[in-house]
Order: sequence, then structure tokens, then C-alpha cells
Amino acid sequence: GAVVSQHPSRVICKSGTSVKIECRSLDFQATTMFWYRQFPKKSLMLMATSNEGSKATYEQGVEKDKFLINHASLTLSTLTVTSAHPEDSSFYICSASSGRYEQYFGPGTRLTVT
Amino acid sequence: GQQLNQSPQSMFIQEGEDVSMNCTSSSIFNTWLWYKQDPGEGPVLLIALYKAGELTSNGRLTAQFGITRKDSFLNISASIPSDVGIYFCAGPISSGSARQLTFGSGTQLTVLP
Repeated sequence: GAVVSQHPSRVICKSGTSVKIECRSLDFQATTMFWYRQFPKKSLMLMATSNEGSKATYEQGVEKDKFLINHASLTLSTLTVTSAHPEDSSFYICSASSGRYEQYFGPGTRLTVT
Repeated sequence: GQQLNQSPQSMFIQEGEDVSMNCTSSSIFNTWLWYKQDPGEGPVLLIALYKAGELTSNGRLTAQFGITRKDSFLNISASIPSDVGIYFCAGPISSGSARQLTFGSGTQLTVLP
């Protein structure tokens, strides 16, 4: 149980384009989904928290107009990196929770902006 | 803000040895979580702890919730090559209304054959 999928696993895009990453909870309803960014050899950095049907809450320093988050249903959240630049290249990971502190993570998306 | 100090930063051990790592917090936690992350993958939940003093096992892994509620320990017995990875502790962000977590800096474990 508690399986979270993330798609795509890897994406390469050109500078200035937008990229959408999907996160799905496959076998449970996720009241809350979280988006993290991870730099090489570093810990996870929380970017935003999203609840189904409401606006995402962004952490300090995270541009909400650049990282658009939509939590359309209890099993799907999307992160869109708009007008991507090379400095946006990173490993993006989503997680889902059914209301408890335990978060279940997706396999991550490696974004490379050229 | 809350900080989790995780140590050691890295460990190199021989296969079959036991491993111990710990996490300390600047504030009291009511939940501790331990995750393992393989290269290029998302973290996987290993153990969740909810009560001070609690000792919980998951196979060869044992985690303890410190009595002071400011620390937690993870032990791995009889290590095997597939134990290689980064281990993270995590605890609730006190100001978080949606049960956000803060993560330690991780312990990179290498198991030598």
C-alpha cells in the first residue's frame, strides 16, 4: 500500500519552455500532497504544500508564479515549472499524505534545462 | 526555525556489521520518521515513531524515540549491500498546519563487501 507515482521520471527541456510533472497516489486518497526539491548530496527542501481543491501554500523563497501547483483531485497533483531556466535543473520529488505525519514519496523527476 | 542535526554524515562499514545513526532536534518533537533514499529515487518510509521512549523494529532496523523527545536513533543490524543509501530522519514542522516535515541532512551509508 501507499504507492505514489511520478511522471515523467526524467525530462530535458529548453530554456524558456514550461514543464509539467504529475504526482499520483495510486492506492490511497491523499488529502495533502507536498513538492520537494533536492540538490545533489543535499537533503529535501520543501517547496509547497497542496490540499485538494485549494490553493497551494508555498515556502518562503519559492516563487508561486514560477512553480504552479494544481491539486485537482485526491489522487493527483501537478507541478508546472514555467519559463524554465538552467538554474531550475534539479531533482523534484512529490509526496502524499492521507492526513497523518507519514508522507509517501514518488520516485522523483530529474529536470534538466538546457 | 527547527533544525535537525543528523550524524554521522557518512559511514563506511563492512558487510555484517551493525550500524547506528542519530538525529537531534533543537525543539521537542511528537513524531519521528526515518526514511531511506536510494540514488535517483524518492525516499522510502522505514519506521514511524509516536511516543517518547518508543522502540520500533522493521526487520533488521530498529528505531527509538528519545526520552527527551529531542532525539531519535536508527540501528541496522547485520548490514548487507542493499542497505547502501542515504538515511534521513524527519519530524513535524511546529508551525506547519498541514503536517509538513523537516528533514535531517542525511547519513550516507556505504557497505563494503
